[in-house]
Amino acid sequence: KAGVTQTPRYLIKTRGQQVTLSCSPISGHRSVSWYQQTPGQGLQFLFEYFSETQRNKGNFPGRFSGRQFSNSRSEMNVSTLELGDSALYLCASSFQGDFAEAFFGQGTRLTVV
Amino acid sequence: DAKTTQPNSMESNEEEPVHLPCNHSTISGTDYIHWYRQLPSQGPEYVIHGLTSNVNNRMASLAIAEDRKSSTLILHRATLRDAAVYYCILRDVSSNTGKLIFGQGTTLQVKP
Repeated sequence: KAGVTQTPRYLIKTRGQQVTLSCSPISGHRSVSWYQQTPGQGLQFLFEYFSETQRNKGNFPGRFSGRQFSNSRSEMNVSTLELGDSALYLCASSFQGDFAEAFFGQGTRLTVV
Repeated sequence: DAKTTQPNSMESNEEEPVHLPCNHSTISGTDYIHWYRQLPSQGPEYVIHGLTSNVNNRMASLAIAEDRKSSTLILHRATLRDAAVYYCILRDVSSNTGKLIFGQGTTLQVKP
């Protein structure tokens, strides 16, 4: 069974640009959540999608957005990048999302210069 | 969201048991206690979860206090591969969300 796949693994962008990250969940999983991990703030919840609908949102500015497609694949977009957006972005998938086990991808390491 | 408190770091010797504590004094009746760990350069991975009774699986055991205000993750024989950050997380089963709220976790060092 294939795990959660995130692409790309590494990314370097310039301030002001925008970026799109992709997450392919485990087959059959309908819930996809996104997290930002930085040394200072740790792991912070960004948002969760379930059956193409955003079900929950963390405390991040509107520059951070996401969507989920009918095949459960999800993308997150960050517009007008800032240096502080440099982080490891992780996505997790689970079958139902309520309290089921979540499976994480390896993450996308974004560096903003 | 109910909060958890964990020690910042712990050390263990290889092949010895490790007890990782977690305090959650504001836990509600619908909160499940979940443990995840994050190995270096990897995403977090699920370890175990429970509600009221002690739980065992192939990775670890979870001991839950009778009043549910604290719990302990037990690794029966620590290996070098168990060196990771361990997160204790409360998940409200009634909230209909996959959201995980991570604290700072406990960094476990395993010495050979």
